Amino acid sequence: DAGVTQSPTHLIKTRGQHVTLRCSPISGHKSVSWYQQVLGQGPQFIFQYYEKEERGRGNFPDRFSARQFPNYSSELNVNALLLGDSALYLCASSIYRGAGELFFGEGSRLTVL
Amino acid sequence: GQNIDQPTEMTATEGAIVQINCTYQTSGFNGLFWYQQHAGEAPTFLSYNVLDGLEEKGRFSSFLSRSKGYSYLLLKELQMKDSASYLCAVRPLYNTDKLIFGTGTRLQVFP
Repeated sequence: DAGVTQSPTHLIKTRGQHVTLRCSPISGHKSVSWYQQVLGQGPQFIFQYYEKEERGRGNFPDRFSARQFPNYSSELNVNALLLGDSALYLCASSIYRGAGELFFGEGSRLTVL
Repeated sequence: GQNIDQPTEMTATEGAIVQINCTYQTSGFNGLFWYQQHAGEAPTFLSYNVLDGLEEKGRFSSFLSRSKGYSYLLLKELQMKDSASYLCAVRPLYNTDKLIFGTGTRLQVFP
């Protein structure tokens, strides 16, 4: 069975640009969460979506937004990119929000120049 | 506030046993996770504890004491490939997959 899949795996943007990151959860998983991990730190929670609705938001500016589609896949959008947005963006899925195991995808590594 | 503490770095020898400790102070508790993360890669799920006690999975075991806000990850028969960062994370709330992560413990295994 496929795990959590993310695309693209690597991308380079310049300041002020916009980026869209995509995630497909494990088959049967309905909850998708997004995390940001900067070098040397643990992941930081950005958003959680369950049944296409936002169920949680971390301490990130409004430049960050996300959505979940009927097939439970998800997109993370970041507008007006800053140098500090350079990080590994991780998507995680679980069968049901707030219960059971949480599995991460391989991540999308974003570099902002 | 919410805080997860774990040692920054540890070293051990191939074939040995190592215990990585994690203490937490969170506003609630709905499970504790351990992940392994190799440099430049995504976290890989190792264990999930909700109730007190020891969970064993092959060479890896995880222990939880909710009353003490304490967990440890035990790695037996260490191999060189176990050199990685080990992340402790707490899910403080119900009905959410928001995890609070520690900064990770970098384990170096020497031959």
